Amino acid sequence: EAEVAQSPRYKITEKSQAVAFWCDPISGHATLYWYRQILGQGPELLVQFQDESVVDDSQLPKDRFSAERLKGVDSTLKIQPAELGDSAMYLCASSHLAGGINEQFFGPGTRLTVL
Amino acid sequence: DAKTTQPPSMDCAEGRAANLPCNHSTISGNEYVYWYRQIHSQGPQYIIHGLKNNETNEMASLIITEDRKSSTLILPHATLRDTAVYYCIVRVEGYSTLTFGKGTMLLVSP
Repeated sequence: EAEVAQSPRYKITEKSQAVAFWCDPISGHATLYWYRQILGQGPELLVQFQDESVVDDSQLPKDRFSAERLKGVDSTLKIQPAELGDSAMYLCASSHLAGGINEQFFGPGTRLTVL
Repeated sequence: DAKTTQPPSMDCAEGRAANLPCNHSTISGNEYVYWYRQIHSQGPQYIIHGLKNNETNEMASLIITEDRKSSTLILPHATLRDTAVYYCIVRVEGYSTLTFGKGTMLLVSP
């Protein structure tokens, strides 16, 4: 069964450093999402792509976070500089269509620890 | 999207049915009820969704009350591998964003 791939699975960094996370969605899925999940909370949407275009980045802290999906396939989420409060699980998900009732498929996530 | 209310935690004995409630009293006519679960250290997994009729698949059953103000996810024979956080989400048809709450932590014990 096709899966969403993410790397790295774990990342430890010091504050003020730059970090990057990579996501490869299920083949053919046009919509890609990045979520952040703080321990004990549910995932929170950071950014949504439809193909290579951003359709929702209202919750993305744009002063330090950036996301791109240049060819409309895989995607990178970057944080520069990282802050202590960025420690969380970063989840990528994809779905076949942007709307409708289709389900989202999640990757295993990248756990970020900022020291 | 309508707000949902779930108990923070529930226990269930292995082999018994797990019934997870969700209150969504402000749900609109075009909002679906979705259930996802998240096993420890994994990404969320889709379980089931419905609009107003009861639904069943290989994982679970979803019972939605006639007034649609609440629903129950039923795992008919819970196993230890069903231990997870279960999220009830209401979502407008045609709108893709999922808004997660804190969910219900289901602990299945031997």
